[in-house]
Order: sequence, then C-alpha cells, then structure tokens
Amino acid sequence: DGGITQSPKYLFRKEGQNVTLSCEQNLNHDAMYWYRQDPGQGLRLIYYSQIVNDFQKGDIAEGYSVSREKKESFPLTVTSAQKNPTAFYLCASRSGTGDPYEQYFGPGTRLTVT
Amino acid sequence: EDQVTQSPEALRLQEGESSSLNCSYTVSGLRGLFWYRQDPGKGPEFLFTLYSAGEEKEKERLKATLTKKESFLHITAPKPEDSATYLCAASSNDYKLSFGAGTTVTVRA
Repeated sequence: DGGITQSPKYLFRKEGQNVTLSCEQNLNHDAMYWYRQDPGQGLRLIYYSQIVNDFQKGDIAEGYSVSREKKESFPLTVTSAQKNPTAFYLCASRSGTGDPYEQYFGPGTRLTVT
Repeated sequence: EDQVTQSPEALRLQEGESSSLNCSYTVSGLRGLFWYRQDPGKGPEFLFTLYSAGEEKEKERLKATLTKKESFLHITAPKPEDSATYLCAASSNDYKLSFGAGTTVTVRA
C-alpha cells in the first residue's frame, strides 16, 4: 500500500532532551512537509522540502531541525530550544509536478514533554 | 500574508439535518482551495480541491463550492459517521498551504 508512515504514534520526553520524529513515504512524492497542530489552531508549517538535500523554514521553524537525505524520508528533530514542544505533529507529502497540489498526511505523532 | 478563517467553530446536527460550513480566505494568487476531514487523533484525510470560482465538487453527502472570497462545504442529510473536524486550506503561488482552525461537526442519531 502506498502512503505515509510516522513513528512513533506517541512519544514522551523530559524537558531538555532532543527528540526525532520519523516520516517515511512510498508515494514517490517530491515535496514533504512538517506541521504542528495545537487545540483550536490551524495546522502551522514548521519546515518543508521540495527536493532532496534542500529544505526551507516554515512559519514556526525555531527550535526545530530537519534533513532530507533521501526522497522518501524527512525526519524532524525537536530540540531543547523549542519552548512549547508538546503538540500533535503531522507529516505530509505532495507530488512535485503539475496539478493537483493537494498534500497527503500521515497519521501523526503526539509528543508530550514534561 | 495568506489567511483562512472557518466558521462556525463547532456545529451540532441531528441526523438528516443539512447544513453548511464556511471558509473565508485571503490569499495572493489562489492556486487551490482544499478541504480535509480529520478524525480525533488521526491525520487529515483529503476530500476536495477547488481551483476557480464557480467550481463545485461532490462526494457522497458532501459538496464543496468556491467563490472569489469563500468556500462552502455543504453536508446533505448527514449521518453520525460524518462527525469529524473539517479543515479548509488555501494555497498561494509558492505551493504552501494556509489552514483554517477547522469546524468540528457532531451528528447525533
């Protein structure tokens, strides 16, 4: 089955620890995205990558880092510099050429930092 | 800056009671208007893309329409399984999506 996988589903960390969230897709999509979702707010873009070995900051990149070494993988690291890391994190991908422009989402990772 | 506003925040319906959700957008150079369905604790599921004013798309009990300033998601004769949060997003020229906060729909049997 083609799709996007995120692991783990739930993640618990202590303050001051870095944590890496996994995102893998087998849709052969060029572009990949990371969003953060908080209650009562729209999805906010953290980072995106339109091609391997290249990525851009989104609207809330501070305290996060990414890499894009392979087309199918786009891991997100939440660093200790992120002040409010507890949230639901969503990875998405999109085919890079032509219509349509819709993004397809993974199942999400819920991160809790105490 | 692109902005997307959804209303109402929450909608409670009786089974069979049709209603509409609103999505107002302000973007420079709309490339597409997207609707997603999100169940609790899960990732959003793609429903529709609308590209130009006047366009309409349907899927089962859902129908999405688009004007130059708004999009509507009409739910006809909803069933309890239509209960979810519906997200609207707009895309400007650089292929990023700007999301609204969503409308949570609860359909009671």
